[in-house]
Amino acid sequence: DTGVSQDPRHKITKRGQNVTFRCDPISEHNRLYWYRQTLGQGPEFLTYFQNEAQLEKSRLLSDRFSAERPKGSFSTLEIQRTEQGDSAMYLCASSPHQGSYEQYFGPGTRLTVT
Amino acid sequence: EDKVVQSPLSLVVHEGDTVTLNCSYEVTNFRSLLWYKQEKKAPTFLFMLTSSGIEKKSGRLSSILDKKELFSILNITATQTGDSAVYLCALYNNNDMRFGAGTRLTVKP
Repeated sequence: DTGVSQDPRHKITKRGQNVTFRCDPISEHNRLYWYRQTLGQGPEFLTYFQNEAQLEKSRLLSDRFSAERPKGSFSTLEIQRTEQGDSAMYLCASSPHQGSYEQYFGPGTRLTVT
Repeated sequence: EDKVVQSPLSLVVHEGDTVTLNCSYEVTNFRSLLWYKQEKKAPTFLFMLTSSGIEKKSGRLSSILDKKELFSILNITATQTGDSAVYLCALYNNNDMRFGAGTRLTVKP
């Protein structure tokens, strides 16, 4: 399978716990994006990477959210001290290079905070 | 603040009908407008539009962008039950992609 993959697909956690999600982009895609999607809404942009550099992070929802892409391949999104309002689908997407605006989405990680 | 507004929010039609979905925006300096189809999981890419007045077509789907009036439409002709999905419009602007809330299309047999 050469598409974008995300792990886990579902995560249930208790309020206050930390969670980490992983995204593996399509091989050799330079750009990697993270989005959050809640019910009835379109995806909400969070952050993106060009290779290992995080070029935009001002849209991360709070300082509890952080993302890394240490070797320019896979990426992780961490949410610390989760709150019930963090419950959502977290989507990852990748695109081949700066000139390409077409993003390929992964299946998402559905987070439920109880 | 930049806005992407899609209408209608939901639409129910019967197989064979033609539908037009609307996306209007208040976004400055965007590079392209994209349409996605989202069924149960991740959005899948349909079209990218960068120039005003040039129609893009793929089978029964077509789309056009009007940069003067700040909107785009997505047309689906001869709808099928498999077209049932949420259709998302998004504006790409350098560092981010801004999505509308989507139009939920239901096609009944």
